[in-house]
Amino acid sequence: AQSVTQPDIHITVSEGASLELRCNYSYGATPYLFWYVQSPGQGLQLLLKYFSGDTLVQGIKGFEAEFKRSQSSFNLRKPSVHWSDAAEYFCAVGFYTSGNTPLVFGKGTRLSVIA
Amino acid sequence: EAGVAQSPRYKIIEKRQSVAFWCNPISGHATLYWYQQILGQGPKLLIQFQNNGVVDDSQLPKDRFSAERLKGVDSTLKIQPAKLEDSAVYLCASSLGGNEKLFFGSGTQLSVL
Repeated sequence: AQSVTQPDIHITVSEGASLELRCNYSYGATPYLFWYVQSPGQGLQLLLKYFSGDTLVQGIKGFEAEFKRSQSSFNLRKPSVHWSDAAEYFCAVGFYTSGNTPLVFGKGTRLSVIA
Repeated sequence: EAGVAQSPRYKIIEKRQSVAFWCNPISGHATLYWYQQILGQGPKLLIQFQNNGVVDDSQLPKDRFSAERLKGVDSTLKIQPAKLEDSAVYLCASSLGGNEKLFFGSGTQLSVL
């Protein structure tokens, strides 16, 4: 069964510092990979996704992620964090069979931003 | 464009009571999902509809949970009877077709006492 691991439960970074959130997945075939962000009291919002092609994908709000097949990873990065980036970040994995398979989400990483 | 609407925003009930949640997806979205998000965990799919048909309900506890999407638009999720472990945020999401991009509502936070 496919699974997603986000090793870091909580990360604190200073405003303006760089950020990397880790995500590892377990699945035999090439998965579809996603990062979602959830602000307090809000639903999840898609930041970016990888389906195929270029392994470095750009998303909204200045985020990017890199798919590394050899490491089964899809880490999220941002060069300079803003206070408004404080939120919960979820990595998710899916795969294509008939085109509509459920996503499996990781447990999330909570990001705190300090001045 | 209007987003995914959910109500109520919060609900507090006692165990063994029943509760219902409502979701109105984005207009034109064929696929509707109900997720359960327990504190400290990621969302877990309960049920997925394609129009008014069920695509996946393998993780729905069918002895107490039920869901319907009669006209292929809005949907209700019901729990009867509720247990303490049902305390969670129930998220509704919709998409045009597949899972390429899901749009989530703000959720219903359920507390079972």
